Amino acid sequence: AQSVSQHNHHVILSEAASLELGCNYSYGGTVNLFWYVQYPGQHLQLLLKYFSGDPLVKGIKGFEAEFIKSKFSFNLRKPSVQWSDTAEYFCAVGGTNAGKSTFGDGTTLTVKP
Amino acid sequence: GAGVSQSPSNKVTEKGKDVELRCDPISGHTALYWYRQSLGQGLEFLIYFQGNSAPDKSGLPSDRFSAERTGGSVSTLTIQRTQQEDSAVYLCASSLGTSGAITDTQYFGPGTRLTVL
Repeated sequence: AQSVSQHNHHVILSEAASLELGCNYSYGGTVNLFWYVQYPGQHLQLLLKYFSGDPLVKGIKGFEAEFIKSKFSFNLRKPSVQWSDTAEYFCAVGGTNAGKSTFGDGTTLTVKP
Repeated sequence: GAGVSQSPSNKVTEKGKDVELRCDPISGHTALYWYRQSLGQGLEFLIYFQGNSAPDKSGLPSDRFSAERTGGSVSTLTIQRTQQEDSAVYLCASSLGTSGAITDTQYFGPGTRLTVL
């Protein structure tokens, strides 16, 4: 069975600080990995995804994530956060079972101006 | 363009009543998903449709939960004899459905907040 673990429940940073949100997954087969974000009052939307190729994936708004197969990880990074990055971030894994994605519990990021 | 819409946005019901939640996916999206998000929790997968068929119903928590999709478009999630533990935000998403939807980006609706008293 698929599972996703997000280690940090709530992260508080000052503007311009660097960000890394942890995501580890458990799945025995080929995985597809996603980060979704939910800004206050908005819908969940895709930040970035990985399914093949370069393990360093770049997404919107300066975010990137690196797939490290040996560590079963897909951590989200941003070199310098902004106040507008305040949101809830969800890591998700989809396997070869079409349609079924497993989401982590989410990490709430608060960026102080 | 129009995104995924859900109705109602909020639903308050009494324990034991049935409720229906509706999802209108993005036009042309063949794949549709239902999730449940309880307070402080991640998204719990409920069911996935490809067209009108549901190849994966494994996430439905009990036989009180059912879902259907008609015309490859609108979907309804029905909860019978609601219980207090059913209180949550129910999210719908849709995607293009190509390649079996395995690598699809899912587009989410605003959710329906269900409160069971």
